[in-house]
Amino acid sequence: NAGVTQTPKFQVLKTGQSMTLQCAQDMNHNSMYWYRQDPGMGLRLIYYSASEGTTDKGEVPNGYNVSRLNKREFSLRLESAAPSQTSVYFCASSEGYRGTDTQYFGPGTRLTVL
Amino acid sequence: AQTVTQSQPEMSVQEAETVTLSCTYDTSESDYYLFWYKQPPSRQMILVIRQEAYKQQNATENRFSVNFQKAAKSFSLKISDSQLGDAAMYFCAYRRLTNAGKSTFGDGTTLTVKP
Repeated sequence: NAGVTQTPKFQVLKTGQSMTLQCAQDMNHNSMYWYRQDPGMGLRLIYYSASEGTTDKGEVPNGYNVSRLNKREFSLRLESAAPSQTSVYFCASSEGYRGTDTQYFGPGTRLTVL
Repeated sequence: AQTVTQSQPEMSVQEAETVTLSCTYDTSESDYYLFWYKQPPSRQMILVIRQEAYKQQNATENRFSVNFQKAAKSFSLKISDSQLGDAAMYFCAYRRLTNAGKSTFGDGTTLTVKP
């Protein structure tokens, strides 16, 4: 039982390049989330998927797209990377979409955009 | 919109002593959840403790306990008998009862534990 896994762990991009961050969970959770964490700050929600087949914008969605590929996988895409997107990206999942549902986090992806 | 404020960017504590980390939040809702997460240097976010707003009793998990003051919108974390492994960044977070995907995090408090 690996929990929440993310690939890659590290990535360096040039401005304008695109890439997809992958996230998978093996806990049969319905809800999945993408957050970003900038230096010295807490996590901010980019997008979330309350259930398979649905996605919604969070606090900072501009410059990102997401795909809930199936119940296990939730990917985050940067179409044209910008230096302002340099951050650590965390994927999380929870059994349901209720406030009481514990969120389990992946180990994070450190992205640098030059 | 909900906001979460952690006014102490850094705290330090002597091993075996007790330390309290502060958190205040702003919301117009009456039902919600509050969380403390620990983020060690490995960056893994680990849930430390959770409090339901409708419960008056403060949550406790072993050496970790909270002081939840709903009227004051305050949610502090007390770590007793501090250990070297407690050194990490601690985040306070707020989640609504419904539409719960929209969690709000504070900016964190870095805790140093001195041997």
